[in-house]
Amino acid sequence: DQQVKQNSPSLSVQEGRISILNCDYTNSMFDYFLWYKKYPAEGPTFLISISSIKDKNEDGRFTVFLNKSAKHLSLHIVPSQPGDSAVYFCAASADIQGAQKLVFGQGTRLTINP
Amino acid sequence: DSGVTQTPKHLITATGQRVTLRCSPRSGDLSVYWYQQSLDQGLQFLIQYYNGEERAKGNILERFSAQQFPDLHSELNLSSLELGDSALYFCASSVVAGVGTQYFGPGTRLTVL
Repeated sequence: DQQVKQNSPSLSVQEGRISILNCDYTNSMFDYFLWYKKYPAEGPTFLISISSIKDKNEDGRFTVFLNKSAKHLSLHIVPSQPGDSAVYFCAASADIQGAQKLVFGQGTRLTINP
Repeated sequence: DSGVTQTPKHLITATGQRVTLRCSPRSGDLSVYWYQQSLDQGLQFLIQYYNGEERAKGNILERFSAQQFPDLHSELNLSSLELGDSALYFCASSVVAGVGTQYFGPGTRLTVL
Protein backbone atom coordinates (compact mmCIF):
# COMPACT_ATOMS: atom_id res chain seq x y z
CA ASP A 1 0.00 0.00 0.00
CA GLN A 2 1.81 3.06 -1.32
CA GLN A 3 0.63 5.86 0.95
CA VAL A 4 2.86 8.46 -0.68
CA LYS A 5 3.23 8.44 -4.44
CA GLN A 6 5.48 10.32 -6.80
CA ASN A 7 4.11 9.29 -10.14
CA SER A 8 6.90 10.74 -12.27
CA PRO A 9 10.09 8.69 -11.92
CA SER A 10 12.00 11.32 -13.88
CA LEU A 11 11.75 14.91 -15.07
CA SER A 12 13.95 16.90 -17.42
CA VAL A 13 13.94 20.71 -17.34
CA GLN A 14 15.90 23.42 -19.09
CA GLU A 15 18.21 25.52 -16.94
CA GLY A 16 16.50 28.74 -15.83
CA ARG A 17 12.99 27.34 -16.22
CA ILE A 18 10.65 26.17 -13.48
CA SER A 19 10.80 22.59 -12.19
CA ILE A 20 7.58 21.22 -10.71
CA LEU A 21 7.68 17.96 -8.80
CA ASN A 22 4.45 16.36 -7.66
CA CYS A 23 3.45 14.10 -4.82
CA ASP A 24 0.13 12.53 -3.80
CA TYR A 25 -0.79 10.92 -0.50
CA THR A 26 -3.69 8.82 0.65
CA ASN A 27 -3.68 8.95 4.45
CA SER A 28 -5.54 11.96 5.85
CA MET A 29 -3.65 11.54 9.15
CA PHE A 30 -0.53 13.00 7.57
CA ASP A 31 -0.12 16.55 8.81
CA TYR A 32 3.46 17.51 8.04
CA PHE A 33 5.18 17.17 4.69
CA LEU A 34 8.81 17.40 3.69
CA TRP A 35 10.91 17.39 0.55
CA TYR A 36 14.38 15.89 0.50
CA LYS A 37 17.02 16.01 -2.19
CA LYS A 38 19.43 13.13 -2.67
CA TYR A 39 22.67 12.89 -4.61
CA PRO A 40 24.17 9.48 -5.39
CA ALA A 41 26.15 7.95 -2.50
CA GLU A 42 24.87 10.59 -0.06
CA GLY A 43 22.07 10.72 2.47
CA PRO A 44 18.88 12.68 1.77
CA THR A 45 19.24 16.40 2.43
CA PHE A 46 16.28 18.28 3.88
CA LEU A 47 15.00 21.00 1.55
CA ILE A 48 11.70 22.41 2.75
CA SER A 49 8.66 21.42 4.74
CA ILE A 50 5.05 22.45 5.20
CA SER A 51 2.53 21.95 7.94
CA SER A 52 -1.03 20.99 7.09
CA ILE A 53 -2.27 24.31 8.49
CA LYS A 54 -0.58 26.11 5.60
CA ASP A 55 -1.01 25.86 1.86
CA LYS A 56 2.30 27.38 0.82
CA ASN A 57 5.82 27.67 2.15
CA GLU A 58 8.65 29.45 0.40
CA ASP A 59 12.41 29.32 0.92
CA GLY A 60 14.49 31.05 -1.70
CA ARG A 61 14.10 29.27 -5.03
CA PHE A 62 12.00 26.51 -3.46
CA THR A 63 8.26 26.71 -2.83
CA VAL A 64 6.06 23.90 -1.60
CA PHE A 65 2.31 23.97 -2.20
CA LEU A 66 -0.16 21.82 -0.30
CA ASN A 67 -3.70 21.05 -1.46
CA LYS A 68 -5.23 19.12 1.42
CA SER A 69 -8.57 18.48 -0.26
CA ALA A 70 -6.78 16.84 -3.18
CA LYS A 71 -4.14 15.24 -0.93
CA HIS A 72 -1.51 16.66 -3.23
CA LEU A 73 1.67 18.61 -2.77
CA SER A 74 4.16 20.01 -5.19
CA LEU A 75 7.65 21.44 -5.08
CA HIS A 76 8.48 24.33 -7.38
CA ILE A 77 12.08 25.23 -8.10
CA VAL A 78 12.63 28.47 -9.94
CA PRO A 79 14.90 29.21 -11.62
CA SER A 80 16.27 25.69 -12.04
CA GLN A 81 20.04 25.32 -11.89
CA PRO A 82 22.32 22.45 -12.97
CA GLY A 83 23.17 21.76 -9.30
CA ASP A 84 19.51 20.94 -8.73
CA SER A 85 19.95 17.71 -10.68
CA ALA A 86 19.27 14.99 -8.09
CA VAL A 87 16.58 12.63 -6.87
CA TYR A 88 13.81 14.38 -4.95
CA PHE A 89 11.80 12.55 -2.31
CA CYS A 90 8.51 13.67 -0.93
CA ALA A 91 7.75 12.52 2.64
CA ALA A 92 4.61 12.69 4.73
CA SER A 93 4.52 12.57 8.48
CA ALA A 94 2.01 11.81 11.19
CA ASP A 95 2.39 11.77 14.94
CA ILE A 96 1.35 8.30 16.04
CA GLN A 97 1.18 8.10 19.85
CA GLY A 98 4.08 10.48 20.31
CA ALA A 99 6.25 8.97 17.59
CA GLN A 100 6.80 10.25 14.10
CA LYS A 101 5.77 8.02 11.25
CA LEU A 102 7.52 9.34 8.14
CA VAL A 103 6.56 7.76 4.83
CA PHE A 104 8.56 8.45 1.69
CA GLY A 105 7.58 8.44 -1.95
CA GLN A 106 9.63 6.54 -4.51
CA GLY A 107 11.45 9.66 -5.68
CA THR A 108 11.67 11.70 -8.88
CA ARG A 109 14.98 12.06 -10.69
CA LEU A 110 15.30 15.68 -11.82
CA THR A 111 17.75 16.52 -14.58
CA ILE A 112 18.48 20.15 -15.37
CA ASN A 113 19.80 20.62 -18.89
CA PRO A 114 22.16 23.54 -19.64
CA ASP B 1 26.99 18.11 6.23
CA SER B 2 23.88 17.24 8.26
CA GLY B 3 25.80 16.60 11.48
CA VAL B 4 24.68 12.96 11.56
CA THR B 5 27.54 10.48 11.25
CA GLN B 6 27.38 6.83 10.29
CA THR B 7 30.04 4.14 10.29
CA PRO B 8 31.16 2.22 8.42
CA LYS B 9 30.55 3.74 5.02
CA HIS B 10 30.74 0.36 3.27
CA LEU B 11 30.39 -3.16 4.59
CA ILE B 12 30.79 -6.41 2.65
CA THR B 13 29.94 -9.66 4.35
CA ALA B 14 28.64 -13.16 3.68
CA THR B 15 25.23 -14.72 4.12
CA GLY B 16 24.51 -15.91 7.63
CA GLN B 17 26.80 -13.33 9.23
CA ARG B 18 26.00 -10.59 11.71
CA VAL B 19 26.92 -6.91 11.39
CA THR B 20 26.51 -3.75 13.45
CA LEU B 21 25.93 -0.32 11.96
CA ARG B 22 26.60 2.75 14.06
CA CYS B 23 25.01 6.17 14.06
CA SER B 24 25.75 9.38 15.98
CA PRO B 25 22.93 11.93 15.88
CA ARG B 26 23.28 15.69 15.56
CA SER B 27 24.25 17.43 18.74
CA GLY B 28 21.12 18.00 20.80
CA ASP B 29 18.91 15.57 18.88
CA LEU B 30 17.23 12.96 21.05
CA SER B 31 15.49 10.92 18.36
CA VAL B 32 17.25 8.46 16.06
CA TYR B 33 15.58 6.74 13.12
CA TRP B 34 16.81 3.90 10.93
CA TYR B 35 15.81 3.46 7.29
CA GLN B 36 16.57 0.91 4.61
CA GLN B 37 16.81 1.73 0.92
CA SER B 38 16.98 -1.30 -1.35
CA LEU B 39 17.71 -1.13 -5.07
CA ASP B 40 14.13 -0.78 -6.29
CA GLN B 41 12.59 0.60 -3.15
CA GLY B 42 12.18 3.99 -1.64
CA LEU B 43 13.24 4.70 1.90
CA GLN B 44 11.59 2.24 4.28
CA PHE B 45 11.32 3.17 7.94
CA LEU B 46 12.70 0.52 10.26
CA ILE B 47 12.68 1.81 13.83
CA GLN B 48 12.80 4.95 16.00
CA TYR B 49 14.44 5.54 19.35
CA TYR B 50 13.90 8.57 21.55
CA ASN B 51 16.21 9.28 24.45
CA GLY B 52 17.17 5.63 24.80
CA GLU B 53 13.70 4.16 24.47
CA GLU B 54 12.16 2.46 21.48
CA ARG B 55 9.39 4.75 20.22
CA ALA B 56 8.12 3.31 16.95
CA LYS B 57 8.61 0.30 14.75
CA GLY B 58 8.21 0.07 11.02
CA ASN B 59 9.05 -2.72 8.61
CA ILE B 60 11.87 -4.14 10.67
CA LEU B 61 12.59 -7.85 10.40
CA GLU B 62 12.91 -9.97 13.54
CA ARG B 63 16.54 -10.68 12.53
CA PHE B 64 17.24 -6.95 12.96
CA SER B 65 17.46 -5.09 16.23
CA ALA B 66 18.57 -1.67 17.39
CA GLN B 67 19.38 0.22 20.52
CA GLN B 68 20.18 3.76 21.60
CA PHE B 69 22.83 4.28 24.24
CA PRO B 70 23.00 6.86 27.06
CA ASP B 71 25.25 9.08 24.92
CA LEU B 72 22.43 8.93 22.32
CA HIS B 73 24.38 7.11 19.63
CA SER B 74 22.53 4.18 18.12
CA GLU B 75 23.44 0.83 16.68
CA LEU B 76 21.50 -1.31 14.21
CA ASN B 77 22.28 -5.01 14.44
CA LEU B 78 21.57 -7.21 11.45
CA SER B 79 21.90 -10.97 11.93
CA SER B 80 21.54 -14.15 9.84
CA LEU B 81 22.13 -11.97 6.83
CA GLU B 82 20.54 -12.86 3.50
CA LEU B 83 21.32 -11.64 -0.01
CA GLY B 84 18.18 -9.52 0.08
CA ASP B 85 19.50 -7.53 3.02
CA SER B 86 21.96 -5.81 0.69
CA ALA B 87 20.91 -2.17 0.77
CA LEU B 88 21.75 1.32 1.90
CA TYR B 89 20.99 1.86 5.57
CA PHE B 90 20.40 5.43 6.67
CA CYS B 91 20.21 6.89 10.11
CA ALA B 92 18.38 10.15 10.75
CA SER B 93 17.96 12.28 13.84
CA SER B 94 15.60 14.95 15.08
CA VAL B 95 15.15 17.01 18.21
CA VAL B 96 11.70 15.75 19.06
CA ALA B 97 9.98 12.39 19.13
CA GLY B 98 6.94 13.53 17.23
CA VAL B 99 6.46 15.45 14.01
CA GLY B 100 9.53 17.40 12.92
CA THR B 101 12.37 17.55 10.45
CA GLN B 102 14.67 14.57 10.29
CA TYR B 103 18.29 15.04 9.26
CA PHE B 104 19.98 12.13 7.53
CA GLY B 105 23.45 10.70 7.73
CA PRO B 106 25.45 9.63 4.66
CA GLY B 107 24.41 6.00 4.96
CA THR B 108 26.10 2.62 5.19
CA ARG B 109 26.13 0.48 2.07
CA LEU B 110 25.79 -3.17 3.04
CA THR B 111 26.62 -5.84 0.51
CA VAL B 112 25.84 -9.45 1.39
CA LEU B 113 27.59 -12.01 -0.84
